[in-house]
Amino acid sequence: QVQLQQSGAELARPGASVKLSCKASGYTFTSYWMQWVKQRPGQGLEWIGAIYPGDGDTRYTQKFKGKATLTADKSSSTAYMQLSSLASEDSAVYYCAMGEWFAYWGQGTLVTVSA
Amino acid sequence: DIQMTQSPSSLSASLGERVSLTCRASQEISGYLSWLQQKPDGTIKRLIYAASTLDSGVPKRFSGSRSGSDYSLTISSLESEDFADYYCLQYASYPWTFGGGTKLEIK
Repeated sequence: QVQLQQSGAELARPGASVKLSCKASGYTFTSYWMQWVKQRPGQGLEWIGAIYPGDGDTRYTQKFKGKATLTADKSSSTAYMQLSSLASEDSAVYYCAMGEWFAYWGQGTLVTVSA
Repeated sequence: DIQMTQSPSSLSASLGERVSLTCRASQEISGYLSWLQQKPDGTIKRLIYAASTLDSGVPKRFSGSRSGSDYSLTISSLESEDFADYYCLQYASYPWTFGGGTKLEIK
């Protein structure tokens, strides 16, 4: 069965960077887009971008260009999202989801930005 | 960007009641719409894709439909585990966009 296992919670200082991971299993990692989604506390879902692990092609929504960098490691079937220049508004839960149609979701990673 | 206007933002209903949620797309999305359920612990599950196709294992009390630019999720008879947040998602055109969500609560 498809599983997406995300890395644990992060506490980071303003201005720092974090790198979140999403380890995939149960399907051919290189054949499906991996999506990334942000959810601030008490708020709705916001699409950040996606990566196609097969060739590394990426898509980003304009707001997250320069903030998020998506990569993928085919050898370990793991997708990564690096968030840079962290600020309080980056405190959120970040989800990965499999496929162009968001078929399966990870459990989410909480990122807290605090001095 | 395509705007997805979801209504209502919150809904209070009773067990066994039939409810409908709606998303209106600001542009043509040709049925490229999913409905997602988020439980209080944050777990997200896709219920429906391509506007009306039920995901495997999703109870048949859930259904999706389209009327023009309006897309609806209907739960025919509410059960306790259905009380959650629901989101629509369009994947017709980048950037993918979500509706604002509906919080479904027990009356």
